Amino acid sequence: QVHLVESGGGVVQPGGSLRLSCAASGFTFSAYGMHWVRQVPGKGLEWVAVVSDDGWHTQYGDPVKGRFSISRDNSKNTVYLEMNRLTPEDTALYHCAKRTTGRWQDAFDIWGQGTMVTVSS
Amino acid sequence: QTVVTQEPSLTVSPGGTVTLTCASSTGTVTSVYYANWFQQKPGQTPRALIYSTTYKHSWTPARFSGSLLGGKAALTLSGAQPEDEAEYYCLLYYDDAWFFGGGTKLTVL
Repeated sequence: QVHLVESGGGVVQPGGSLRLSCAASGFTFSAYGMHWVRQVPGKGLEWVAVVSDDGWHTQYGDPVKGRFSISRDNSKNTVYLEMNRLTPEDTALYHCAKRTTGRWQDAFDIWGQGTMVTVSS
Repeated sequence: QTVVTQEPSLTVSPGGTVTLTCASSTGTVTSVYYANWFQQKPGQTPRALIYSTTYKHSWTPARFSGSLLGGKAALTLSGAQPEDEAEYYCLLYYDDAWFFGGGTKLTVL
């Protein structure tokens, strides 16, 4: 059974940094790209970033480009999201998600429960 | 920035059929947008229903189907059940990024 567990969320001041982790189990982690998606409680969904199965290719949504960095460690079955220069607009529940198939364009199927990030002074 | 537009809300009667649509500011939605659909109930994590426009996941109820309709991606629910009341989000792939629609609140009444 596929299982994704996020951690690392918390309260951080504007301009600060945070590193999220997502531990995966139940599937061949190194065979799938991984995404991060966020949701402000009570609001809609926003795609944040993706990393390829081998970690070499990444892509980011415009609101986080240049501030966030996604990476992975296939030896630890873990994907990371390094977040810098945080602003209140980054406050959200952050989910990691497993890519659906081996095809880059095929988004994601399984989601973790998420970790909450609050940016506030 | 690509803007993806969905109906804010729709209502369907139990047993009825309803179609939700997903439009892109970039123009006609085609298969290369690899449309996805997700269902989210209050307090729950989103659940994937459809990927690559028409493909169902192993857990997707047969009453849900995906298609292209009038230049948009579409999710059709045939034979609505009370448990289908939820928020539905579409997701489009464009220019090496993914864009969510604002969601459709579906009421089964």
